[in-house]
Amino acid sequence: EVQLVESGGGLVKPGGSLRLSCAASGFTFSSYVMNWVRQAPGKGLEWVSIINFDSTYMRYADSVKGRFTISRDNAKNSLYLQMDGLRADDTAVYYCGRDKDWNIDIWGQGTLVTVSS
Amino acid sequence: QTVVTQEPSLTVSPGGTVTLTCTSSTGAVTGGFHPNWFQQKPGQTPRALIYNTNNKHSWTPARFSASLLGDKAALTLSGVQPEDEADYYCLVYYGGHWVFGGGTKLTVL
Repeated sequence: EVQLVESGGGLVKPGGSLRLSCAASGFTFSSYVMNWVRQAPGKGLEWVSIINFDSTYMRYADSVKGRFTISRDNAKNSLYLQMDGLRADDTAVYYCGRDKDWNIDIWGQGTLVTVSS
Repeated sequence: QTVVTQEPSLTVSPGGTVTLTCTSSTGAVTGGFHPNWFQQKPGQTPRALIYNTNNKHSWTPARFSASLLGDKAALTLSGVQPEDEADYYCLVYYGGHWVFGGGTKLTVL
């Protein structure tokens, strides 16, 4: 079964850091571009970051640039999002999604990040 | 800052037809922007419906179709069912990064 499972969310104080993980199974992880997407409570979806197959290309939304870092470990079938300098407006459910030829088809169930003092 | 705009809300009667659109602040949405469409019901993860303008996934119901309509991407639901009530999002590719539309809340009434 094709599956993406996020983990690592939780409550963190403003200015703090958190590292999210996304474990992939059921498909050849190294063949897919991967994305992070988030959704603040009661709000729409917001694309956060993208990484290509071999980690030679990464891009970020302006809202997280310079604070978040995307990475992957193809040997471990895992995607990561290092989040530093967290702010209240980073509070959201974070989803990972696989992407091949501009087709984002499978999402994880999401992990909730809450930034609050 | 690129902005992708969708109708905030639409209402359709059961059995009816409705078209949702997706507009880019940079100009016309073409096939090169690889528009995707997603459905999200309350409390659920987004579900992919359409990729690369008009391609359906194996699980996409036949009543969903997509196209380019003038300078916009469009998602059409024909023979709407009560279970189609949901939020719908388009996603557009801008040469290296993606941008979501604000979403359309579809009410079936």
